[in-house]
Amino acid sequence: AQSVTQLGSHVSVSEGALVLLRCNYSSSVPPYLFWYVQYPNQGLQLLLKYTTGATLVKGINGFEAEFKKSETSFHLTKPSAHMSDAAEYFCAVSDRSGSEKLVFGKGTKLTVNP
Amino acid sequence: GAVVSQHPSWVICKSGTSVKIECRSLDFQATTMFWYRQFPKQSLMLMATSNEGSKATYEQGVEKDKFLINHASLTLSTLTVTSAHPEDSSFYICSAQWEGTDTQYFGPGTRLTVL
Repeated sequence: AQSVTQLGSHVSVSEGALVLLRCNYSSSVPPYLFWYVQYPNQGLQLLLKYTTGATLVKGINGFEAEFKKSETSFHLTKPSAHMSDAAEYFCAVSDRSGSEKLVFGKGTKLTVNP
Repeated sequence: GAVVSQHPSWVICKSGTSVKIECRSLDFQATTMFWYRQFPKQSLMLMATSNEGSKATYEQGVEKDKFLINHASLTLSTLTVTSAHPEDSSFYICSAQWEGTDTQYFGPGTRLTVL
């Protein structure tokens, strides 16, 4: 079975500071990995995804994530936080089985302080 | 592109009544749609997967007779919460994807409150 662990349910950074949201996964097969963002009372928006190829993936709004197989990690980063980045971030994994089921982490709430 | 809508965005109903939530893919044909439930300050839990024209596949622990899912067309899936009770109050989110893609596109969610 697959699982996702997001370290830190809350992360607080200052505007302009580096954003680092941690995600570790467990999967018996090579995974597909996703980061989604959720603003209050809204659905999820895809930030970026890793399927195959380059392990450093760039997404929208200046975010990027690196797939590290040896560390089973897919941490999300952004060099400089903006106030508009304040939201809940979810890491998810699917197993490429064709069912495309997503298993989500518990989420990390990002607060950006002025 | 890849826009998914949900209707209604919020609904309040009395205990014992049934509520229908619609999920539509606006600019693509969704061969597969997913229904999730999200409790406050928690992650999304997959309830069921539906393929157009087929019966939905429910996750373990989800009552299929209580949460009726219909995926009658390539752009519409509905979730009906039958005989709703206060414990069914939650945020319900659908997602959709087209055949051959690895990405789910999510709707904005429906907040259900059962009094």
